Amino acid sequence: GAVVSQHPSWVICKSGTSVKIECRSLDFQATTMFWYRQFPKQSLMLMATSNEGSKATYEQGVEKDKFLINHASLTLSTLTVTSAHPEDSSFYICSARDPPATGELFFGEGSRLTVL
Amino acid sequence: AQSVAQPEDQVNVAEGNPLTVKCTYSVSGNPYLFWYVQYPNRGLQFLLKYITGDNLVKGSYGFEAEFNKSQTSFHLKKPSALVSDSALYFCAVRSNQAGTALIFGKGTTLSVSS
Repeated sequence: GAVVSQHPSWVICKSGTSVKIECRSLDFQATTMFWYRQFPKQSLMLMATSNEGSKATYEQGVEKDKFLINHASLTLSTLTVTSAHPEDSSFYICSARDPPATGELFFGEGSRLTVL
Repeated sequence: AQSVAQPEDQVNVAEGNPLTVKCTYSVSGNPYLFWYVQYPNRGLQFLLKYITGDNLVKGSYGFEAEFNKSQTSFHLKKPSALVSDSALYFCAVRSNQAGTALIFGKGTTLSVSS
């Protein structure tokens, strides 16, 4: 199946700093990517839909100024957690759909963010 | 609005026994249904999907799922469980409209004992 690569897989940062997480589709082009957040022992919560060349669509309750999403190319979307705080600590997972539209989502390995 | 329910937080089975992980859904229009598995601190791995056609879908690692439209269910099954099947399983649904994201159930932890 298609491969989605996420980097970094683990990051620790100080409170107040910004952290960028990259999501790449390695062997296909993804016009749309999705960013999810997962709390311990809980399900995946959709944060936003990232569209290549346009602004991301954020789910209700997700702060767009805190979670900046950029989808500058058909193979790369980035999530930047700005001015991170301990409550932002979580497991962030990106996904992309290999065409056609009926295809399943392929997921990155996830990025665990710990804010001290 | 789309939603997925996985009524069981945990399912325990003995190795070699059949297993079932339950899932019901709600979606406007025709549903696209998926099962994913997650191992600790890892991303999700695709198991199987139902888009259209035969209600019984066969997927990876010997898993299968049956789409039941009248009961709006998509239960995951396997005839003979393995210890290595122990993991967190997610059911997910999206509508057939282009560009929509998957909505996930809360997950069910499967524990297979030897």
